[in-house]
Amino acid sequence: QVQLQESGPGLVKPSQTLSLTCTVSGGSISSGGYYWSWIRQHPGKGLEWIGYIYYSGSTYYNPSLKSRVTISVDTSKNQFSLKLSSVTAADTAVYYCARDLHALGIEPWGQGTLVTVSS
Amino acid sequence: EIVLTQSPGTLSLSPGERATLSCRASQSVRSNSLAWYQQKPGQSPRLLIYGASNRASGIPDRFIGSGYSGSGSGTDFTLIISRLEPEDFAVYYCQQYAGSLLTFGGGTKVEIK
Repeated sequence: QVQLQESGPGLVKPSQTLSLTCTVSGGSISSGGYYWSWIRQHPGKGLEWIGYIYYSGSTYYNPSLKSRVTISVDTSKNQFSLKLSSVTAADTAVYYCARDLHALGIEPWGQGTLVTVSS
Repeated sequence: EIVLTQSPGTLSLSPGERATLSCRASQSVRSNSLAWYQQKPGQSPRLLIYGASNRASGIPDRFIGSGYSGSGSGTDFTLIISRLEPEDFAVYYCQQYAGSLLTFGGGTKVEIK
């Protein structure tokens, strides 16, 4: 079955760019009908959608983060990535990647990776 | 942006009891765009229900989603856990799609009384 795994630095300095990669295994990221999402969860808080990408490269972002977010896809590596610029302590969160089936829900999810923004 | 408000914030119940969780949208949401997730401490969320009332693969039938109306849309959705099992004590989130944008509710924690 499809599995997702996040990777990237666990510590980022304020004002820098947070960069994470999600590696998809057990299926092709180019399979039609699927979107690939990033979602975050601040410590002890609820879920916040960041954005998603289709394998063709079309992207949709949370309006509240849109000015700082870039999501890209590398079909040759079966990966998609997140870049969040100008980070502050408020961006400290667990970041999840997930397969987004739209009307059929979001599954599976990666295990999540904690990113701390601190000097 | 459609805001989803979940209530109550915390539900204290005993195993075997029935849990009723509410998700109210600030604008009408198409029923086929409403999903529910379960999250246990230290784990990723798990899809329970999609399309307001369809159980995801492997989800027990004690999880019941509702909210479908004759028009296929609405603002009030409910997740019912008919008889709580020990493994059901967790946080539950609703989520919706509208115009390619996605939002989550704030969550309801179901805790052991």
